[in-house]
Amino acid sequence: DTAVSQTPKYLVTQMGNDKSIKCEQNLGHDTMYWYKQDSKKFLKIMFSYNNKELIINETVPNRFSPKSPDKAHLNLHINSLELGDSAVYFCASSLKRGSTDTQYFGPGTRLTVL
Amino acid sequence: AQTVTQSQPEMSVQEAETVTLSCTYDTSESDYYLFWYKQPPSRQMILVIRQEAYKQQNATENRFSVNFQKAAKSFSLKISDSQLGDAAMYFCAYRSAYGGTSYGKLTFGQGTILTVHP
Repeated sequence: DTAVSQTPKYLVTQMGNDKSIKCEQNLGHDTMYWYKQDSKKFLKIMFSYNNKELIINETVPNRFSPKSPDKAHLNLHINSLELGDSAVYFCASSLKRGSTDTQYFGPGTRLTVL
Repeated sequence: AQTVTQSQPEMSVQEAETVTLSCTYDTSESDYYLFWYKQPPSRQMILVIRQEAYKQQNATENRFSVNFQKAAKSFSLKISDSQLGDAAMYFCAYRSAYGGTSYGKLTFGQGTILTVHP
């Protein structure tokens, strides 16, 4: 059973395009997150949602817009893609916000902007 | 703001030997959680072990154990009886136990690439 899934796993696109990455968790968790891993493998949080409410927004350009249609889904939409957006994007979820519960990560989406 | 530092970009170990990966962190908080995540070439992030700061006892998960030194703000990972499948990038991470808009956020170190030689 897939716990946290992301689609697509790979995304190659041109500068200036708009793209979305989808994330779904079937763990019944309340909180979901987006992390970005850059070319040097550094991981940094972008957003978190708790029960569809935005909790964390870490100085991310407003070209990035998370959308949570329900608590099992947290999608990431990126407008006007730039070369610097090339990275691996990870979705994660945890049972409750800030609890001792583990954050479970999806397989990541490698985004390449040409 | 909290920071996490992994000072060893790369480490290597012979199969069946023991290796220790270092992690230090900086925080003014007294209650928090620390984690080690493993990222193999498949890039999946896998939790290895976690430690609650209020617990003095070091966490252990099979061949993986930590040396948590709260006063020194140090959190090292020891891998015993290393196996080829342990080869991966290892990340140390910090999470606050307090409320606020950053509640739940994981702050990661830079990572350590572990190579296991047969």
